[in-house]
Amino acid sequence: AQKVTQAQTEISVVEKEDVTLDCVYETRDTTYYLFWYKQPPSGELVFLIRRNSFDEQNEISGRYSWNFQKSTSSFNFTITASQVVDSAVYFCALSVPYSGAGSYQLTFGKGTKLSVIP
Amino acid sequence: DGGITQSPKYLFRKEGQNVTLSCEQNLNHDAMYWYRQDPGQGLRLIYYSQIVNDFQKGDIAEGYSVSREKKESFPLTVTSAQKNPTAFYLCASVLAGTGVFSVTEAFFGQGTRLTVV
Repeated sequence: AQKVTQAQTEISVVEKEDVTLDCVYETRDTTYYLFWYKQPPSGELVFLIRRNSFDEQNEISGRYSWNFQKSTSSFNFTITASQVVDSAVYFCALSVPYSGAGSYQLTFGKGTKLSVIP
Repeated sequence: DGGITQSPKYLFRKEGQNVTLSCEQNLNHDAMYWYRQDPGQGLRLIYYSQIVNDFQKGDIAEGYSVSREKKESFPLTVTSAQKNPTAFYLCASVLAGTGVFSVTEAFFGQGTRLTVV
């Protein structure tokens, strides 16, 4: 069975501070995918990043960066110089593709609510 | 524009009443999913469908039913058997290819907030 743990339920930071959202996952499969989604107050989940288990390179996209470490089963997300518009709930998710089917189920963490205070 | 459309955005249900939530996608995606979101619980899978005329139960299927008569549509019915239906419901779709490296991200609708009155 797969499991995703986001230990931080809520985080508050002052604007321009850096913040890291933690994600720890569990799976016995060697092939899997990890995702981060953002859920603004409107409710829709917005895709941020996908990473497969064979690609441990860290990624930077503007103020966002992701640190994938298989040794610790973690896929942490850092926002640099946070802004009020970053306020949202952030979900980490894990997918294990079914053999030969090319399809999958997503297992979500419980989310971290980030509040950026002006 | 391609995307997923959920309707209605807000829905009120009386006790003992069945209600149906609509989910339509024009992304030509094969797989579709229904999730329920409760405060502090994250997203939990209700039902999913990989192809037309086929669907599978997720982790919390009791009290819900679905159909997949068309590739574009995956409606969810919340039946009177669901004792605590008040929640936020999200529909998602995925382009399911072949092979483990064809996995893409899931696209989500804007959700339906269901309240029992």
